Formats: sequence, structure tokens, C-alpha cells
Amino acid sequence: ETGVTQSPTHLIKTRGQQVTLRCSSQSGHNTVSWYQQALGQGPQFIFQYYREEENGRGNFPPRFSGLQFPNYSSELNVNALELDDSALYLCASSFEWGEAFFGQGTRLTVV
Amino acid sequence: AQSVTQLDSQVPVFEEAPVELRCNYSSSVSVYLFWYVQYPNQGLQLLLKYLSGSTLVESINGFEAEFNKSQTSFHLRKPSVHISDTAEYFCAVSSGGSYIPTFGRGTSLIVHP
Repeated sequence: ETGVTQSPTHLIKTRGQQVTLRCSSQSGHNTVSWYQQALGQGPQFIFQYYREEENGRGNFPPRFSGLQFPNYSSELNVNALELDDSALYLCASSFEWGEAFFGQGTRLTVV
Repeated sequence: AQSVTQLDSQVPVFEEAPVELRCNYSSSVSVYLFWYVQYPNQGLQLLLKYLSGSTLVESINGFEAEFNKSQTSFHLRKPSVHISDTAEYFCAVSSGGSYIPTFGRGTSLIVHP
């Protein structure tokens, strides 16, 4: 049974660019949640996908969007990157509403 | 709306000493409560959770937390810490039947030899 994997682990982007982060959920899980963790802060909920549909969204602008695929893997897309988007982005998967298992995260730096 | 307050941003302690990491929450409905641990450059790991039943919950590595509804608290304790417990600890709450947790800002536990 594989855990939650995220790619890439690190990346650097320029302000105004677009980025796509990827998450492979743990085997048997059908729910994926994305969080943004700024330096020195707790994770902030971005959105959740359940069976390919968005199932809840936090207080993030529309330039943060996502997808969930039939195999339950997921993408987080951020358009028009801003300096404040620099953070650790965490993906968590679960089966239905059970315990969430987190990946190692993607460290995004916007310069 | 729900929120979590972790009262201490940093807690330094010597090895083998007891420790308490404080967490208070606010929510207008019944809650689920969680403690997560984050080691450097890693994701979050669930340490323990309160869903219902006994108000005292324990983890496999010696941590425990007690749900106190009247004080809206869920403090994390360990009677004797190890160097390896050095990490960031996050308290989280979810409510209304949702398992989407709201996290606190975290407490950095620093264990000195």
C-alpha cells in the first residue's frame, strides 16, 4: 500500500506565472484535500475533492483551482502567481470522511 | 465558524521533563479534535484524535490529550519527553460532521539534552 505522494518536492516560479502541483492519493482513498502552509503558520484549507467533484472550499481566490481524476489523483493549479503564494502545499487523502493522510508537501517559492 | 488557538508558539523543555502544549477551540456545534505532528521538511502525521466517547485519548508514543468541553480545550501532554519529540505540533478542529480540520498556528516543541 503506497502512501500519499506529491510532486515536485520543490520548485521556483516567477511572479505572474502559473503552476501545477500533483498529488497521488493513498491506495483505496477517494477524497483529496489541499492545504497551504505559509512559513510559521498552520495549514490553511484550500479545497477538497470527493469522487472528482469539488466538495468544499476555503477562503482562496478563484486563481486557485483543482482537479481530481478517475484514479483519485489530484492537481492544484495556481494562476497569476504572487509573492505571497510562496508556501508549503500539502495534499491529504482519505477514504470518504475518515482519517486524512498527508503527503510530504511541495515547497513553492515565488520570486 | 470554528477556530483554534494554540497559546504557545514555542515550548522549550529538557529531556525527560513533562510537557503540556495548550489548545483552545471555538465552535458552535459538536466537534472532532486532532493533534498532528510535523517533523522538519515533512508532512503532517496524525498523533491522536477525539471523535466521541472517552474524553482522554492516547497515542502510541506516550502523548495524551483530554477533551474538556466546559473549557473548550484539548491540551496535549507527555509525562517524559525525548529528544526525538522535537517537532511542530498542530491542534485542529472540525465540526458539523465534517472531517475538514481547521488548524492552529502550531507550537514548536524543542527538547534539550
